Amino acid sequence: DSGVTQTPKHLITATGQRVTLRCSPRSGDLSVYWYQQSLDQGLQFLIQYYNGEERAKGNILERFSAQQFPDLHSELNLSSLELGDSALYFCASSVSLAGARTNTDTQYFGPGTRLTVL
Amino acid sequence: GENVEQHPSTLSVQEGDSAVIKCTYSDSASNYFPWYKQELGKRPQLIIDIRSNVGEKKDQRIAVTLNKTAKHFSLHITETQPEDSAVYFCAASWGGGYQKVTFGTGTKLQVIP
Repeated sequence: DSGVTQTPKHLITATGQRVTLRCSPRSGDLSVYWYQQSLDQGLQFLIQYYNGEERAKGNILERFSAQQFPDLHSELNLSSLELGDSALYFCASSVSLAGARTNTDTQYFGPGTRLTVL
Repeated sequence: GENVEQHPSTLSVQEGDSAVIKCTYSDSASNYFPWYKQELGKRPQLIIDIRSNVGEKKDQRIAVTLNKTAKHFSLHITETQPEDSAVYFCAASWGGGYQKVTFGTGTKLQVIP
């Protein structure tokens, strides 16, 4: 168990709908990352938040948005869902201390949310 | 931005043989290189990592080597076992909490009993 939790575990919905995925980072971790993994594909980085602020953006669609709350949990919102959005969505967290002398970017992954769009 | 290339994409070895997976990176500022193992349908799990101030690190049957000059790093698994079968991802980042970690495309390792 990595200490990162994600809910829900599974989500089945229809095209055009909107869903929210939730992630709670490990205690003390400031950074939250979101990844999309389609069937037999690699990890596609979507977005990173650090202590409540957006820090880095990957190939995230305009239909997708995220935020990190004061308690450091994060939510990924997916709207106008399409069949191609069906995938495993992972959240990861890291300490990521700014200005740290050693790299603190070790990422610990949650169990993922499997999204199926019908 | 950083670009990480990983080879091979698939690898089959006999049980007991060694497996080597190689990655190259483009950003010379990268200073942290983790390796993740992902079993089917499960989360990626960190198996070993190396920082740019060392050239090699070992943990039992797993080792990682880093060549900063050539900008490549490799994962070595010795005495492979069937439970080593999984997808392995390399990654690179420069840290400080302000840059995303860039992952390689993954290597599917199959260990044949």
